[in-house]
Amino acid sequence: AQSVTQLGSHVSVSEGALVLLRCNYSSSVPPYLFWYVQYPNQGLQLLLKYTSAATLVKGINGFEAEFKKSETSFHLTKPSAHMSDAAEYFCAVSSSGYSTLTFGKGTMLLVSP
Amino acid sequence: DAGVIQSPRHEVTEMGQEVTLRCKPISGHDYLFWYRQTMMRGLELLIYFNNNVPIDDSGMPEDRFSAKMPNASFSTLKIQPSEPRDSAVYFCASSSTGVLNTGELFFGEGSRLTVL
Repeated sequence: AQSVTQLGSHVSVSEGALVLLRCNYSSSVPPYLFWYVQYPNQGLQLLLKYTSAATLVKGINGFEAEFKKSETSFHLTKPSAHMSDAAEYFCAVSSSGYSTLTFGKGTMLLVSP
Repeated sequence: DAGVIQSPRHEVTEMGQEVTLRCKPISGHDYLFWYRQTMMRGLELLIYFNNNVPIDDSGMPEDRFSAKMPNASFSTLKIQPSEPRDSAVYFCASSSTGVLNTGELFFGEGSRLTVL
């Protein structure tokens, strides 16, 4: 069984501030982990993914995430928020090898000027 | 390149009516997924197909929901009869075997359903 917990349904930051979105997972086997982003009235798009290579993963738009097995975490960060980062972010997990994705409930990122 | 195409983008209907949502996956993709998104439940996987064959429909909420994939380029999700609690955004996503085991799904823009 696999599951994802995203801490905080809403996160507010000022433009230029650090973005930190938290994700913890559970998986009975080594996981594949993902962050997806959803802009208003759009579908989800892949931001970055961890598939057992480097533990620090870099994605699009300056985002990165670090896989920490000991903490079962895969937090998403960006050093400096931009207004265009305002969106909903979803963490997801799948078991290594083929399986379907399990999504977290999402975190809405709000960026103020 | 065309992405996953869904129609209609918005649908407003009355309780008891039949609703049909449509999806055209990315050409060459052999997996197709239907998800439902609500504020209360988040993203839920309803059903997925591989090579047009339904593989897992355990997420389909009840018999009022049905999905078909008659060919590699088209799928439908039907709700009959519809109820207000079916109001949600329904997403179709596709992927190919080569990348699916690393989880990359390509989503359509969704169909927002409102049942009055």
